[in-house]
Amino acid sequence: AQSVAQPEDQVNVAEGNPLTVKCTYSVSGNPYLFWYVQYPNRGLQFLLKYITGDNLVKGSYGFEAEFNKSQTSFHLKKPSALVSDSALYFCAVRDMIKAAGNKLTFGGGTRVLVKP
Amino acid sequence: KAGVTQTPRYLIKTRGQQVTLSCSPISGHRSVSWYQQTPGQGLQFLFEYFSETQRNKGNFPGRFSGRQFSNSRSEMNVSTLELGDSALYLCASSLSFQPRSTDTQYFGPGTRLTVL
Repeated sequence: AQSVAQPEDQVNVAEGNPLTVKCTYSVSGNPYLFWYVQYPNRGLQFLLKYITGDNLVKGSYGFEAEFNKSQTSFHLKKPSALVSDSALYFCAVRDMIKAAGNKLTFGGGTRVLVKP
Repeated sequence: KAGVTQTPRYLIKTRGQQVTLSCSPISGHRSVSWYQQTPGQGLQFLFEYFSETQRNKGNFPGRFSGRQFSNSRSEMNVSTLELGDSALYLCASSLSFQPRSTDTQYFGPGTRLTVL
């Protein structure tokens, strides 16, 4: 069965510093990987996805993620964090081989706190 | 283009009652998925509908059901509510349903259900 792990419950970073949110996955086939962000009392907002091709994926709001097949990781990064980036971040996976449709399996989420 | 809309945004029910939640997908999107979000279990997939047929189902009891209409709008129903059903219920829409879908799921703001 597919699974996603986000090893850090919370990440604290000073505004202007680089931000990294970690994600590792487990699937039987090749993965489709997604990052979403959730602000308080809101739904999930799509940031970026990896399907195939270049291992560095660029997304919305200056975020990017690096796919590493050997380490089964898909870490989210932002070179310079903003206070407004404070939110809950979710990594999700879809198993390309076994998946039927659009079902996503989510990690437990990482809360990001950016301090001024 | 308008995003995914969900109604109502907030609901308070008592144990034993039933509830119906509604979701309107992004215009042109024909697949609708439902997820339950709780602090303890995180984000869990409930089911996915496409062309008025349930295509995918998560590991939830039969008290949770759904349907999709010809205009792609979807409803989910929870009967005989339990305290543990208190959660944020998120609807997500995608363009279509395929065996190895690369489609992105776009989420609505959710319906916050509280069971007393």
